[in-house]
Amino acid sequence: DGGITQSPKYLFRKEGQNVTLSCEQNLNHDAMYWYRQDPGQGLRLIYYSQIVNDFQKGDIAEGYSVSREKKESFPLTVTSAQKNPTAFYLCASSIRSRGSNQPQHFGDGTRLSIL
Amino acid sequence: SQQGEEDPQALSIQEGENATMNCSYKTSINNLQWYRQNSGRGLVHLILIRSNEREKHSGRLRVTLDTSKKSSSLLITASRAADTASYFCATDRNSGNTPLVFGKGTRLSVIA
Repeated sequence: DGGITQSPKYLFRKEGQNVTLSCEQNLNHDAMYWYRQDPGQGLRLIYYSQIVNDFQKGDIAEGYSVSREKKESFPLTVTSAQKNPTAFYLCASSIRSRGSNQPQHFGDGTRLSIL
Repeated sequence: SQQGEEDPQALSIQEGENATMNCSYKTSINNLQWYRQNSGRGLVHLILIRSNEREKHSGRLRVTLDTSKKSSSLLITASRAADTASYFCATDRNSGNTPLVFGKGTRLSVIA
């Protein structure tokens, strides 16, 4: 079955610690995205990548970092510089947009909390 | 940079009734998409309507698009308790190859 797998489902971060959220897809999609979801605020774009070895900042990139070394994988690191990391993080993928946005496929999210 | 905005924020109906959710946006778009999110899960793509289309159907879903008013509506007919979820519209930021922007969603509760 093709899809997106996010792990872990729940993650706890101590103050000053960096944590990495995993996102893997086997849909052969070129584009991948990371979103943050807070209650009542919808989805906000953190980073996105249209192709391997390339990524762009979204609306709220400060305090986060990403890498895209493989087509299937797009890990997100929440650094200690992100002072309010408690949120639900969603990863998505799509075929590469060419002039218009394509439907996105989502994982089931990672819920990050501060210890 | 919020582009789409759903209305109402929350909607509660009885099973069997129709549910209508609206989305307004600000700039021109190539297409508009609707997604559904069950509590604690990821979003699921429901339907995509292109800027040159006015109406689209998928099962019990009907989506309309009025580009002159910069608005779209999602109608769910004969709702079921299993339709209880949040529904989001998503649009381009502006014309061209830019990532989707999601609205804040409408929380739909269908009471059995």
